[in-house]
Amino acid sequence: QITLKESGPTLMKPTQTLTLTCTFSGFSLSTGGVGVAWIRQPPGKALEWLALIYWNDDKRYSPSLKSRLTITKDTSKNQVLLTMTNMDPVDTATYYCAHSIPPYYLDSSAYYHYYFDSWGQGTLVTVSS
Amino acid sequence: QSVLTQPPSVSGAPGQRVTISCTGSSSNLGAGYDVQWYQQLPGTVPKLLFYGNSNRPSGVPDRFSGSKYGTSASLAITGLQAEDEADYYCQSYDNRLSGWVFGGGTKLTVV
Repeated sequence: QITLKESGPTLMKPTQTLTLTCTFSGFSLSTGGVGVAWIRQPPGKALEWLALIYWNDDKRYSPSLKSRLTITKDTSKNQVLLTMTNMDPVDTATYYCAHSIPPYYLDSSAYYHYYFDSWGQGTLVTVSS
Repeated sequence: QSVLTQPPSVSGAPGQRVTISCTGSSSNLGAGYDVQWYQQLPGTVPKLLFYGNSNRPSGVPDRFSGSKYGTSASLAITGLQAEDEADYYCQSYDNRLSGWVFGGGTKLTVV
């Protein structure tokens, strides 16, 4: 059974740097064909993909946020970290991490076909002065 | 403005059939990237409903069906039930934006 759980600060001030941790179980990020993504959802709004890290340490970032984001993994701890610099009130959202895999009919190199099959419970981050 | 366009809301009576559309472009659905659908019940975490256009994970009732044709995709729900009331999101990859994209979401109301 795959489980993921996000942790980190719930309240941030503008310009601060956010660091979120995704702690997971039921899979290993050293196994080929696996990734972990970060996705956020502002209150009452739609989902927005932020970043994805693959088992081989390849990384993808949302182009609109790329300059502010860093995603890393600690395979030994079963954790994925996301840092976002220069936080602003518009970054107030629930942040989710999600297990990501390719469809069964494609191999692990089908990077852009990965989807999000298991999600963490999410953590609400509020940015306010 | 989402890259994938969904109607903000749809509604139906119990037992009826409803469809939710997801309109993309040549840089996402039209480029051959699959569409996924997620269901988000009120106050809960998004749940995968379909992957690879029409593949249903185990546990998803067969009242739900997904399809994709060209630059559009559709989610259909037959035999509508009160428990289906939720927000539904389509998702794909966009090679012009170089990233995964979601639709704006559709709120399904069972009247």
